[in-house]
Amino acid sequence: EAGVAQSPRYKIIEKRQSVAFWCNPISGHATLYWYQQILGQGPKLLIQFQNNGVVDDSQLPKDRFSAERLKGVDSTLKIQPAKLEDSAVYLCASSWSWDNNSPLHFGNGTRLTVT
Amino acid sequence: GEDVEQSLFLSVREGDSSVINCTYTDSSSTYLYWYKQEPGAGLQLLTYIFSNMDMKQDQRLTVLLNKKDKHLSLRIADTQTGDSAIYFCAEILLSGGSYIPTFGRGTSLIVHP
Repeated sequence: EAGVAQSPRYKIIEKRQSVAFWCNPISGHATLYWYQQILGQGPKLLIQFQNNGVVDDSQLPKDRFSAERLKGVDSTLKIQPAKLEDSAVYLCASSWSWDNNSPLHFGNGTRLTVT
Repeated sequence: GEDVEQSLFLSVREGDSSVINCTYTDSSSTYLYWYKQEPGAGLQLLTYIFSNMDMKQDQRLTVLLNKKDKHLSLRIADTQTGDSAIYFCAEILLSGGSYIPTFGRGTSLIVHP
């Protein structure tokens, strides 16, 4: 079974620039998550999709972050404009369903450095 | 503060047992998970336990659950240098009708030869 694919692996941008991350979940997984992991901290959920609908985006800074999963498969996360505090690893995860007994499968993440 | 709390560091000698502890907040969490993160990688599911169990064993891993105290632990027997990683405890919080997977800050396990 192919895992969760993310790209790029690394990105360095200057503050106020834009950046986009891409995620391809495990085939057949209905639920997709974007997490932000700041160095030394646990992952923090940004947004959760069930198919192409948003289940939870309460912690997404909507003034600068956006995410979409138009066809219910791949997803993109965008930051515009970036701030220094956005430097983190952005992890994508997927699960079979959105209920509480479907474990998450993670990609290797995109490490973003904002200078 | 964090919903899920873990100690930040644990150092053990190779061959010893490691015990990583976690406290969680939601007594209605039905599943609790342990994930492992190696440098530069995403989180890898290690094991999980259903809330009606108090212990689960999987090869070198033993999970203990104390629902009364909302305490979860992961014991790694015969710890190897390859076990050096960050270990995350996770619970599934029900919030606004949605199930939100919530992680602790992670415990960094360092295994000395």
